[in-house]
Amino acid sequence: DSGVTQTPKHLITATGQRVTLRCSPRSGDLSVYWYQQSLDQGLQFLIQYYNGEERAKGNILERFSAQQFPDLHSELNLSSLELGDSALYFCASSHMGGAGGYTFGSGTRLTVV
Amino acid sequence: AQTVTQSQPEMSVQEAETVTLSCTYDTSESNYYLFWYKQPPSRQMILVIRQEAYKQQNATENRFSVNFQKAAKSFSLKISDSQLGDTAMYFCAFMNGETSGSRLTFGEGTQLTVNP
Repeated sequence: DSGVTQTPKHLITATGQRVTLRCSPRSGDLSVYWYQQSLDQGLQFLIQYYNGEERAKGNILERFSAQQFPDLHSELNLSSLELGDSALYFCASSHMGGAGGYTFGSGTRLTVV
Repeated sequence: AQTVTQSQPEMSVQEAETVTLSCTYDTSESNYYLFWYKQPPSRQMILVIRQEAYKQQNATENRFSVNFQKAAKSFSLKISDSQLGDTAMYFCAFMNGETSGSRLTFGEGTQLTVNP
């Protein structure tokens, strides 16, 4: 157990639907990062939050949004889902800037049918 | 923008032997961090080793060590006494040290198979 908790582990949904992925960071970590791992595109950075505020944004689609709550857990919202959104979504956390390395959760496997 | 390149999509090694995975990166920054992550079949991402660019000494973690060549922008991972449990996808990653909270940029990965 890495200390970063992601729920659910697996999610199957239909095209056009909306889902919410949840992440609880390791105790004491203020930064949360979201990554998408697709078969053909490797690990792609989506977005980072630090202590409740958005810190950096990557190639995140407009259909996707995220937030970090006062208790530091984070949610990634994916809407108007398409088949191509099927991927493994990772959450990671770090104490400050992440120079010590991120701690990853076990991921949420999203399948859009 | 920084890029990370792993030129070996797949590699294999016999148990107990040594294997080296290659990684090159491109950056104009002078302060940065480099990492190797391991992703076994469970898909969990596990930090293997990290290197600070301002340190000339190569990092080591038990059977894992790196060869960091800053001028050549090369960061290879050596696994000694390979074990079956080392079978995994290995990702090289870069982080800019100048910006607080910088993202990790990953390479495409190298699938390592350790054969008995």
